[in-house]
Amino acid sequence: EPEVTQTPSHQVTQMGQEVILRCVPISNHLYFYWYRQILGQKVEFLVSFYNNEISEKSEIFDDQFSVERPDGSNFTLKIRSTKLEDSAMYFCASSRGSLFGETQYFGPGTRLLVL
Amino acid sequence: SQQGEEDPQALSIQEGENATMNCSYKTSINNLQWYRQNSGRGLVHLILIRSNEREKHSGRLRVTLDTSKKSSSLLITASRAADTASYFCATDAAQGGSEKLVFGKGTKLTVNP
Repeated sequence: EPEVTQTPSHQVTQMGQEVILRCVPISNHLYFYWYRQILGQKVEFLVSFYNNEISEKSEIFDDQFSVERPDGSNFTLKIRSTKLEDSAMYFCASSRGSLFGETQYFGPGTRLLVL
Repeated sequence: SQQGEEDPQALSIQEGENATMNCSYKTSINNLQWYRQNSGRGLVHLILIRSNEREKHSGRLRVTLDTSKKSSSLLITASRAADTASYFCATDAAQGGSEKLVFGKGTKLTVNP
């Protein structure tokens, strides 16, 4: 069964450093998402991406964040200058279509720790 | 905020018993989805129920949806120790064409062998 994959599984970085989190969505999916989960808290939406552009973003997704689909398979989340409060589990998800009856499939996550 | 909460926040049962978790939400929805998360791991999709559906089954899972009460329940029958996990409901928003899912805080289920 196809699945969303994410790399790395864990990332430790120093405050102020740039990080890039990578995702390979399911191959015939058209919509891509990033969510995050701070330890012990809810899963929060960050951004959705369709047709090579951002279709929706949350208040969390400020100028420090960017997303890119550099080729036909990868989908990346970049944090330009990490802060302590960016420490969280970051999940990538993908779906075939928009939400009218379409499941969003999540990857296993990247645990980011900012020191 | 669009989303309510799951309840209970934590549930501890014996293997073989049934587990019922509830979810409430605040705005009109197109779909409601249930996910499972093992400790510190990824989100596994369990079941999606559309707003025009009232009940759906998948194996030992039964999901109900009451749009008049803006609530859903997830029933796991004949629970197993391997069902130990956190369970989340997630909804979309019917208006505005938003694609994002809004998650509740989850119910932490412990199934004791």
